[in-house]
Amino acid sequence: NAGVTQTPKFRILKIGQSMTLQCTQDMNHNYMYWYRQDPGMGLKLIYYSVGAGITDKGEVPNGYNVSRSTTEDFPLRLELAAPSQTSVYFCASSFGQGNQPQHFGDGTRLSIL
Amino acid sequence: AQSVAQPEDQVNVAEGNPLTVKCTYSVSGNPYLFWYVQYPNRGLQFLLKYITGDNLVKGSYGFEAEFNKSQTSFHLKKPSALVSDSALYFCAVRDRIAGGTYKYIFGTGTRLKVLA
Repeated sequence: NAGVTQTPKFRILKIGQSMTLQCTQDMNHNYMYWYRQDPGMGLKLIYYSVGAGITDKGEVPNGYNVSRSTTEDFPLRLELAAPSQTSVYFCASSFGQGNQPQHFGDGTRLSIL
Repeated sequence: AQSVAQPEDQVNVAEGNPLTVKCTYSVSGNPYLFWYVQYPNRGLQFLLKYITGDNLVKGSYGFEAEFNKSQTSFHLKKPSALVSDSALYFCAVRDRIAGGTYKYIFGTGTRLKVLA
């Protein structure tokens, strides 16, 4: 099983550029999540989805957008990159009503210069 | 609102000694608690969870955690530390949000260093 796959692994963007971080899972999980991890800050939830066609904001959604057209895919879009968005981004998925663990991808390391 | 706290940024322990990584929580209702480990340049990996039942939960790689309701704690333990246990450890709690859906709130992480 591939689990949760994130691409790219690394990326450097210029201020104002846009990009899409890809996330796909092959476990048929209904829940999917995007987090950002900053040093000493733990994980902050950006957006989440409870199923195809359903998304909602997390704690830090500003500057990001998501879509969920299929169960497998949950891309994260940065429209106008800013230095404050330099971070490590993790996608995760889980199954069921919150008593199941999340499965994480290996992250995308993004630098905005 | 639900929250978790990991009071130690770093824990150092000698190889072969027991280790404890601390987590305290604040929830309304019954807590659903999780521990994850993160190795360098990798995503978080699930270690164990407490949902209900026995207060001592056993998980992967020889780790266990003790749920203590009166102290609102969920400390991660291992009887004998290995150098390969050196990593970043996160405690998390489930948070119910509108519409019956759930998200997870993570602590800030504790870096464990096991010294040879």
